[in-house]
Amino acid sequence: QVQLQQWGAGLLKPSETLSLTCAVYGGSFSGYHWSWIRQPPGKGLEWIGEINHSGSTDYNSPLKSRVTISVDTSKNQLSLKLSSVTAADTAVYYCARAFGVSDLGVYPRMDVWGKGTTVIVSS
Amino acid sequence: DIQLTQSPSFLSASVGDRVTITCRASQGISSYLAWYQQNPGKAPKLLIYAASTLQSGVPSRFSGSGSGTEFTLTISSLQPEDLATYYCQQLNNYPRTFGPGTKVAIK
Repeated sequence: QVQLQQWGAGLLKPSETLSLTCAVYGGSFSGYHWSWIRQPPGKGLEWIGEINHSGSTDYNSPLKSRVTISVDTSKNQLSLKLSSVTAADTAVYYCARAFGVSDLGVYPRMDVWGKGTTVIVSS
Repeated sequence: DIQLTQSPSFLSASVGDRVTITCRASQGISSYLAWYQQNPGKAPKLLIYAASTLQSGVPSRFSGSGSGTEFTLTISSLQPEDLATYYCQQLNNYPRTFGPGTKVAIK
């Protein structure tokens, strides 16, 4: 059973860089796309971006200038960096597997999710 | 970007009731729609993908339908553990957008 374990700094000051890591256990890393999604307190889900095992990325436009998603295939890990954070970046951040994105005849979906990491930005 | 709207934004129903949630897309997305359930304080959980395909392990009281721009999620007989917020997501285009959510409460 594939499991995603996340970690990273939970308290940041404005202008610092958010850095989170998500490790994939119990399943293949290569051949899938991996996503980051966030959820501000009391609000809905916001897709941040997606990466495949070879490092090809897609980002949500409002965040594109500040976001970097990368993979380390030797460790079965993906990472999220978000620079110049403000209070508006306070949220629970989730990693998720985007199953079927590159597979012909397969409808994509986010089928496995990490438990989430709470990040608070405060001076 | 493709915008998704959901209705209602909140509903309260009794155990055993049939519940329907609607998701509308700002442009056609074929059947590239998924539904997620988020219980309070938990990560989202995939319920349905390809608009109508039940994810393995999800109870059969959940079903999905629709294509193009209008989709529905139905719970045939509401159970206490269905207390949650439900989100639709389109995976036809980038960025992968989510609907604003429908919060389901138990009367």
